[in-house]
Amino acid sequence: DSGVTQTPKHLITATGQRVTLRCSPRSGDLSVYWYQQSLDQGLQFLIQYYNGEERAKGNILERFSAQQFPDLHSELNLSSLELGDSALYFCASAPGGGLTEAFFGQGTRLTVV
Amino acid sequence: AQSVAQPEDQVNVAEGNPLTVKCTYSVSGNPYLFWYVQYPNRGLQFLLKYITGDNLVKGSYGFEAEFNKSQTSFHLKKPSALVSDSALYFCAVRPFTGGSYIPTFGRGTSLIVHP
Repeated sequence: DSGVTQTPKHLITATGQRVTLRCSPRSGDLSVYWYQQSLDQGLQFLIQYYNGEERAKGNILERFSAQQFPDLHSELNLSSLELGDSALYFCASAPGGGLTEAFFGQGTRLTVV
Repeated sequence: AQSVAQPEDQVNVAEGNPLTVKCTYSVSGNPYLFWYVQYPNRGLQFLLKYITGDNLVKGSYGFEAEFNKSQTSFHLKKPSALVSDSALYFCAVRPFTGGSYIPTFGRGTSLIVHP
């Protein structure tokens, strides 16, 4: 168990809908990273938050947004969903701002139908 | 820009035989290199990392990796494979200093260990 909790584990939704994925980092970790894993794109970095502030942005679509709350949990919001958004979404946490050894959650498998 | 290549989508090895999973990288300056493993329906788990020093890095579950600066490679190795080592393995790189400190991951190599 990595200590990183992601909910829900599975999510099935229709095109055009909006969903929220939640991540609770390991106790004491200030950084949260979001990744998207798909068969054709591999593991893609989306966004990082550090102690409540956006720290780095990767290949995140404008339809996607994220935030980190004062208790350090993070949410990834995906809107106007398309079939191609179906993927495994991972959250990882790390103690500091620079990712060294990250601890990954078990992921949320999103299926858009 | 930094990049990672894992040239083999799949590696097959018999239990008890040595295994190698290949990784080559491109990064500005000195690299900070990682290996992660992903078991089915699980998140990635950290195996080992290279920062500086000894080119042979030892990690979890008996795995080790050899850093070769001239060949820009960081191959993952294990002397004797177990069936339970079957999983997806990811190599990642980021610059040691400067640049983006977000690692870039390879596309992964599926390791299959046959009994």
